[in-house]
Amino acid sequence: DPKIIQKPKYLVAVTGSEKILICEQYLGHNAMYWYRQSAKKPLEFMFSYSYQKLMDNQTASSRFQPQSSKKNHLDLQITALKPDDSATYFCASSQESTPNSDYTFGSGTRLLVI
Amino acid sequence: GDQVEQSPSALSLHEGTDSALRCNFTTTMRSVQWFRQNSRGSLISLFYLASGTKENGRLKSAFDSKERRYSTLHIRDAQLEDSGTYFCAANYGNEKITFGAGTKLTIKP
Repeated sequence: DPKIIQKPKYLVAVTGSEKILICEQYLGHNAMYWYRQSAKKPLEFMFSYSYQKLMDNQTASSRFQPQSSKKNHLDLQITALKPDDSATYFCASSQESTPNSDYTFGSGTRLLVI
Repeated sequence: GDQVEQSPSALSLHEGTDSALRCNFTTTMRSVQWFRQNSRGSLISLFYLASGTKENGRLKSAFDSKERRYSTLHIRDAQLEDSGTYFCAANYGNEKITFGAGTKLTIKP
């Protein structure tokens, strides 16, 4: 059974629209993260949350907003979508946000903005 | 600047051969984790190391315990199913891991 569920697996969106990417983890972890992988760049860190609180944000644009309604949820809302937002978005979790925790990744949401 | 430098960027091996991938860090890292990304895009964790070495089947990874400035992943007796892109990701003490650019590994019959 997948321990981190990301929905949807694939998403096509129109420029200017808004979408929410869903992430739920069933590992009992206290820290969750979002990473982005686009065709020309390595996996880039976006956000980290610990106990539902924002710890770090490396996303320049406020169009990306994480939402944590429950301890094991960290959704990603993206507004005013642009073609450059096309990428695979990975959710991850770890027991704690400290360096001595290993990360587990979801299978990703592949987003295409047209 | 870039904190995690992976080499080589691409590697082609014949089945049955051995090889090593390397990650250099521009600063001292607290831990390193190695992943393989398969053809479907899934990131599979191979090893997590805070120091020393770990081995699992034909794979072995080491993290320089002294300087903490590099890690290696050794592949022994390469098989077709080892093909994929290998990433190392390291943590220097904050709330995230930073990925290298990856090594695309192709195993040929």
